[in-house]
Amino acid sequence: SQQGEEDPQALSIQEGENATMNCSYKTSINNLQWYRQNSGRGLVHLILIRSNEREKHSGRLRVTLDTSKKSSSLLITASRAADTASYFCATDKGGSYIPTFGRGTSLIVHP
Amino acid sequence: GAGVSQSPSNKVTEKGKDVELRCDPISGHTALYWYRQSLGQGLEFLIYFQGNSAPDKSGLPSDRFSAERTGGSVSTLTIQRTQQEDSAVYLCASSRGTGREVAFFGQGTRLTVV
Repeated sequence: SQQGEEDPQALSIQEGENATMNCSYKTSINNLQWYRQNSGRGLVHLILIRSNEREKHSGRLRVTLDTSKKSSSLLITASRAADTASYFCATDKGGSYIPTFGRGTSLIVHP
Repeated sequence: GAGVSQSPSNKVTEKGKDVELRCDPISGHTALYWYRQSLGQGLEFLIYFQGNSAPDKSGLPSDRFSAERTGGSVSTLTIQRTQQEDSAVYLCASSRGTGREVAFFGQGTRLTVV
């Protein structure tokens, strides 16, 4: 079964708007990562947040982690058409460092 | 190399044939992962290599799937007697392997079984 699940499955917004994606997971984690995938090929790492961190920023990206709720969110501010992609969260399963991925959120940003 | 390299990029094979997919990880990365992604789906973990340790094969879907990693570097994923349900993109990733590290992905091999 999936360790992490993203929500919503699909998101369609206009350029300039903010996009928020959520990830929920089931068991304790060491860290949580967000990746981006264009055109169904290789994934690109966006940001890693450790279990003892609550928020991280990277450019237009903001990630939060709430370990009590076993959830994380990815916020993309001032979205651009080039942000159109699928976004995945990846968690490890406590004692294992193997990243386990959810089904992803498909984001479409209309110019 | 500068990144994770996978070959071939695309592979079309007939049902029942064997296929080999290759992954060349980033130099110095001790951890190597294989994942499978079916159309519109998430990544399904297949197998994990870490240094000289025994690989974690817990994700392999059947005994038709096997993988090896020679000399702690290049890895080959072999699928025997391919079935149509094996059609997917096979993704390889590597990391420094010290734990809590970012995984760097290759561009994947798109396998189509006809």
